[in-house]
Amino acid sequence: GIQVEQSPPDLILQEGANSTLRCNFSDSVNNLQWFHQNPWGQLINLFYIPSGTKQNGRLSATTVATERYSLLYISSSQTTDSGVYFCAVEPGNRDDKIIFGKGTRLHILP
Amino acid sequence: DTEVTQTPKHLVMGMTNKKSLKCEQHMGHRAMYWYKQKAKKPPELMFVYSYEKLSINESVPSRFSPECPNSSLLNLHLHALQPEDSALYLCASSQERIVGGVNYGYTFGSGTRLTVV
Repeated sequence: GIQVEQSPPDLILQEGANSTLRCNFSDSVNNLQWFHQNPWGQLINLFYIPSGTKQNGRLSATTVATERYSLLYISSSQTTDSGVYFCAVEPGNRDDKIIFGKGTRLHILP
Repeated sequence: DTEVTQTPKHLVMGMTNKKSLKCEQHMGHRAMYWYKQKAKKPPELMFVYSYEKLSINESVPSRFSPECPNSSLLNLHLHALQPEDSALYLCASSQERIVGGVNYGYTFGSGTRLTVV
């Protein structure tokens, strides 16, 4: 099955810093989403981005489907950005399920 | 309404108890999902319902029994669970993908944190 690898696994930054999270996937995908899981467990949908670039405030994401990777950029980090960031993909064989990477655990220090 | 609502938020149950988790969405999504998440791990798929029919069972033990009474509701019935079943249980929904149409991906509920004692 498709493999989804996220890097780095852990990241500690000072408030105000910028960061780039990466997601590599091993096969073609129909869908790619970035989620933020807050300390209470809520998975918040950040971007639905099977290809191209999107921006939402301090966050932006780029997916290069032909090269099988996606990047999530966080600028001017805030302590509320702490949590786990998951990349999840829906494989191209359309079997109605998304596969999660292992996540990047981000901790923003005040 | 762009939410998936899960109840209860927390549940503690004994190994001989029977309980149910509930999930509701009113976005007109035709696919609904149950995921299980252990601490410091990604969510793992358990079941998929498409148009109210079970389409995927990821070899989940029979002590977990899903039910989809209608297109807006999804239940997970629990019976004779083990302590290792303690986890965060997440429900999600998504639109059925239409070729050339727009899909906004998956929406997750806030989860039920289950503890089996």
